[in-house]
Amino acid sequence: QSVLTQPPSASGTPGQRVTISCSGSSSDIGSNAVNWYQQLPGTAPKLLIYSNNQRPSGVPDRFSGSKSGTSASLAISGLQSEDEADYYCAAWDDSLHGFYVFGTGTKVTVL
Amino acid sequence: QVQLVQSGAEVKKPGASVRVSCKASGYTFTGYYMHWVRQAPGQGLEWMGWIYPNNGATTYAQKFQGRVTMTSDTSITTAYMELSRLRSDDTAVYYCAKVSAGVVAFDYWGQGTLVTVSS
Repeated sequence: QSVLTQPPSASGTPGQRVTISCSGSSSDIGSNAVNWYQQLPGTAPKLLIYSNNQRPSGVPDRFSGSKSGTSASLAISGLQSEDEADYYCAAWDDSLHGFYVFGTGTKVTVL
Repeated sequence: QVQLVQSGAEVKKPGASVRVSCKASGYTFTGYYMHWVRQAPGQGLEWMGWIYPNNGATTYAQKFQGRVTMTSDTSITTAYMELSRLRSDDTAVYYCAKVSAGVVAFDYWGQGTLVTVSS
């Protein structure tokens, strides 16, 4: 089963805007909503964005998501030191009997 | 408040089986799918499958079919994931994750259970 493709790393200075891309296919991102998870070191992942661009309660509006065709992106504006974490995109894949697929993950470093 | 509390770390020998539990509280256990995700050391997230506690229906990732069994006990609101014929590359942190209402997104996660497979 395939994975979604993300850049391995991204970085920025405090206050900058960082964007992470997520590339998939017609059976996953092309057909279903994209979610984003943040994983701080040594902790369980946390839902950051769901349904392409929706933020759960408590997630700062510095985080935003978008989707176009078979790709999606996560933007972090006004980067803060506490944003240093791993970020994963994810989507349901309609092929086979259906399965959930995660992105390869992007490590965001705050310089 | 919603909580998913998993069982403690395990050390197993190759060829053995492991069962990880996930005790749910703070919501209607039978109303939401429970998924299992694992993460090998220094690696990304890998989806393993789901169970619907309401009726016990399951779907497993192709990679784990034949080796994984997901069950639930609604009387104690607990989900289980059993993985058999363990190999060294099954060493990972295993997470249970509850699906959000109306969307296939995991809004609550367990704290994770480290399973180490070593001879």
